Amino acid sequence: NAGVTQTPKFQVLKTGQSMTLQCAQDMNHEYMSWYRQDPGMGLRLIHYSVGAGITDQGEVPNGYNVSRSTTEDFPLRLLSAAPSQTSVYFCASSAWLYNEQFFGPGTRLTVL
Amino acid sequence: TQLLEQSPQFLSIQEGENLTVYCNSSSVFSSLQWYRQEPGEGPVLLVTVVTGGEVKKLKRLTFQFGDARKDSSLHITAAQPGDTGLYLCAAYNNNDMRFGAGTRLTVKP
Repeated sequence: NAGVTQTPKFQVLKTGQSMTLQCAQDMNHEYMSWYRQDPGMGLRLIHYSVGAGITDQGEVPNGYNVSRSTTEDFPLRLLSAAPSQTSVYFCASSAWLYNEQFFGPGTRLTVL
Repeated sequence: TQLLEQSPQFLSIQEGENLTVYCNSSSVFSSLQWYRQEPGEGPVLLVTVVTGGEVKKLKRLTFQFGDARKDSSLHITAAQPGDTGLYLCAAYNNNDMRFGAGTRLTVKP
């Protein structure tokens, strides 16, 4: 099993550009989530999903969209990148709520 | 204001010393998790505590959940350089998981 995979590993965007961060898991987990990690802030939840077709907002959802068309995939879309979105992004999955979360290796995004 | 407050934010000690880091909140949680994160990687679960007053041991690491299920501590005995990393506590707030800002531990040889 590959676990949780994320692509790309690094990305540089210009302000106003759009892009999609990919996340996939092969553990048949129902719960998937996206976090951003900034220095001194820990991990902050952007969006999460409790199953295919169901998504909800987390703590910092503005500027990001998600969809969950399959159990395996949970892409994160930046519609119009801003310098404030410079961060490291982590995708995670777990079998269900309150279970262990498995994290991907992260995507380091820089917005100029 | 963060839901989970961790202290200290930074800790630098010599190999062989003992240390304790804390995770505090004004909210009551059904469970709390501790993760460790190494540079360039995602966090990895160390332990989940569920019962108030619960103590769990993982080799040289001892985790305690407060009686009121609002706080937790992580104690490391005889720290080693391999313990270096960012220690994060996390808890579910309704359906979403919230993390503390973490304690960055450096153990010098």
